[in-house]
Amino acid sequence: DTAVSQTPKYLVTQMGNDKSIKCEQNLGHDTMYWYKQDSKKFLKIMFSYNNKELIINETVPNRFSPKSPDKAHLNLHINSLELGDSAVYFCASRKPGQGGTEAFFGQGTRLTVV
Amino acid sequence: AQSVSQHNHHVILSEAASLELGCNYSYGGTVNLFWYVQYPGQHLQLLLKYFSGDPLVKGIKGFEAEFIKSKFSFNLRKPSVQWSDTAEYFCAVTSYNQGGKLIFGQGTELSVKP
Repeated sequence: DTAVSQTPKYLVTQMGNDKSIKCEQNLGHDTMYWYKQDSKKFLKIMFSYNNKELIINETVPNRFSPKSPDKAHLNLHINSLELGDSAVYFCASRKPGQGGTEAFFGQGTRLTVV
Repeated sequence: AQSVSQHNHHVILSEAASLELGCNYSYGGTVNLFWYVQYPGQHLQLLLKYFSGDPLVKGIKGFEAEFIKSKFSFNLRKPSVQWSDTAEYFCAVTSYNQGGKLIFGQGTELSVKP
């Protein structure tokens, strides 16, 4: 019973292709995130959704488009992939606010653009 | 802007040595603080968290951290490290007024020699 699950775990694709990464959480959290972890392990927030609404967009290129069909899902679609998009992408969820929780992370998706 | 700074990029210790990893944040409001660990090839797992109350927080695997509000710090400690503690350690902060934005430090790589 994985709390936050991402698919696929590995993704190898050519430059210029379009790909999607899916994320689902079964924790009942309202807030979900996408993070990008680069080769130096730095974790950079990309997007945050609260109850299906976008609340944070950290100047990510518009080739990246998150979609939240419901509050348990936050998918990431990437158009026209570039070499620099190669990274590990983590999905996370949490219950924010004063009664909140820590963030729970998915296993990550290692994207390699060739 | 809210930021988190971890002082050490790479720490190398022998088994049984004591560990202290520094973390400072820049936000002046009410914050929640976290330490996460990422073992090689794995996702982030929570070590410990501070929401309120006792500023000395105990986590899993013998780790603890102390919140010092006046110094905007949340340093991680362990009295005696083991080889299995070899991992990347991330400090993170979120605040009630930032839309649930969870910001990570740059990470500290810990290598423990057997």
